[in-house]
Amino acid sequence: GAVVSQHPSRVICKSGTSVKIECRSLDFQATTMFWYRQFPKKSLMLMATSNEGSKATYEQGVEKDKFLINHASLTLSTLTVTSAHPEDSSFYICSAREDWNTEAFFGQGTRLTVV
Amino acid sequence: LAKTTQPISMDSYEGQEVNITCSHNNIATNDYITWYQQFPSQGPRFIIQGYKTKVTNEVASLFIPADRKSSTLSLPRVSLSDTAVYYCLAQGGKLIFGQGTELSVKP
Repeated sequence: GAVVSQHPSRVICKSGTSVKIECRSLDFQATTMFWYRQFPKKSLMLMATSNEGSKATYEQGVEKDKFLINHASLTLSTLTVTSAHPEDSSFYICSAREDWNTEAFFGQGTRLTVV
Repeated sequence: LAKTTQPISMDSYEGQEVNITCSHNNIATNDYITWYQQFPSQGPRFIIQGYKTKVTNEVASLFIPADRKSSTLSLPRVSLSDTAVYYCLAQGGKLIFGQGTELSVKP
């Protein structure tokens, strides 16, 4: 199947710093990318949906100024956690889809720990 | 957006066939039904997708009745490595995950 590469796989940062997570579709053009957050033993929670060249659409309760999403090309989207705090520690997962009726493929996830 | 409902957990034994049913009563005409598998600390992995009737690939079958209000993922002859969480999505615009089914395969 298609490959979505997410980097880094794990990161530890200090409180107050910003962290950028990259999501790349390696062998297809992703018109839509999704970003999720997942807590232990819980399901994936959609944070935002981004279409290439457009501003991301954030889910209710997700702070757009804290979780900056950029989808500048058809193969790359980034999530920046700004001024990170310990409560932002979580597992973040990206997903990419070529078209609305095609299957989405997921990155391997990024474990963020804020100390 | 179609909400999906699945059993929270299921147990099985190696070599058995496992059927996981998902309810999506409010599925939209344009929605496809997609199933994913997730292991701990990994992103979900695509299993199978369908619109109606039956779809089969090398790892699973997907049965969708005519009214499309439910679907059943069938895993033939499961092994220990199939222990994971399985999610069904009624996929249209957004990809919204329900609670998933935690499948435990025992020896």
